[in-house]
Amino acid sequence: DAKTTQPNSMESNEEEPVHLPCNHSTISGTDYIHWYRQLPSQGPEYVIHGLTSNVNNRMASLAIAEDRKSSTLILHRATLRDAAVYYCIRRGGNKLVFGAGTILRVKS
Amino acid sequence: NAGVTQTPKFQVLKTGQSMTLQCAQDMNHEYMSWYRQDPGMGLRLIHYSVGAGITDQGEVPNGYNVSRSTTEDFPLRLLSAAPSQTSVYFCASSFGQGLVNTEAFFGQGTRLTVV
Repeated sequence: DAKTTQPNSMESNEEEPVHLPCNHSTISGTDYIHWYRQLPSQGPEYVIHGLTSNVNNRMASLAIAEDRKSSTLILHRATLRDAAVYYCIRRGGNKLVFGAGTILRVKS
Repeated sequence: NAGVTQTPKFQVLKTGQSMTLQCAQDMNHEYMSWYRQDPGMGLRLIHYSVGAGITDQGEVPNGYNVSRSTTEDFPLRLLSAAPSQTSVYFCASSFGQGLVNTEAFFGQGTRLTVV
């Protein structure tokens, strides 16, 4: 499973929206896009996933480009508790393969 | 629900010692996996299992053995510990045998130091 490409780090102000980008240019038609995040000293936790359509849940929204070569995780109002490493993962089989992720810093 | 439980949380080993990291889940998940995470890096897949009696290698399997005799448990064995195996180890589980449309649940990790 090929890894995705994400910026190393991003910074946001508290209470503002955050858009975390991810490139997956070699994605196949049946691969899902998953997002996980890892808070300091904790195991990763699931955030959201999708295939083609935009997806919303209580934590975030996922916008997937029409050609599926990129996607964006949207945190609508960042809080200090959202400071974490965010991983964008292409999942097409038995393996959940992590890249380096994006370190999100939230300023108060 | 306990979710995914890993024991121990911390462990120090001497080079050459063997040990088993335990992972148990109470969600009746078919799929379980082990990852290691080194400082400043993402998680790397060591081994995974799609059901009892079935295991397969991930990206970095050398130096580790696994077995899956029950649905609930997926222990990771270090045969002869080396300093390069100093890392934080995470166990994860999810529904399905290779289904891609499911979320994975992770344990809190085992921090292993090999001296």
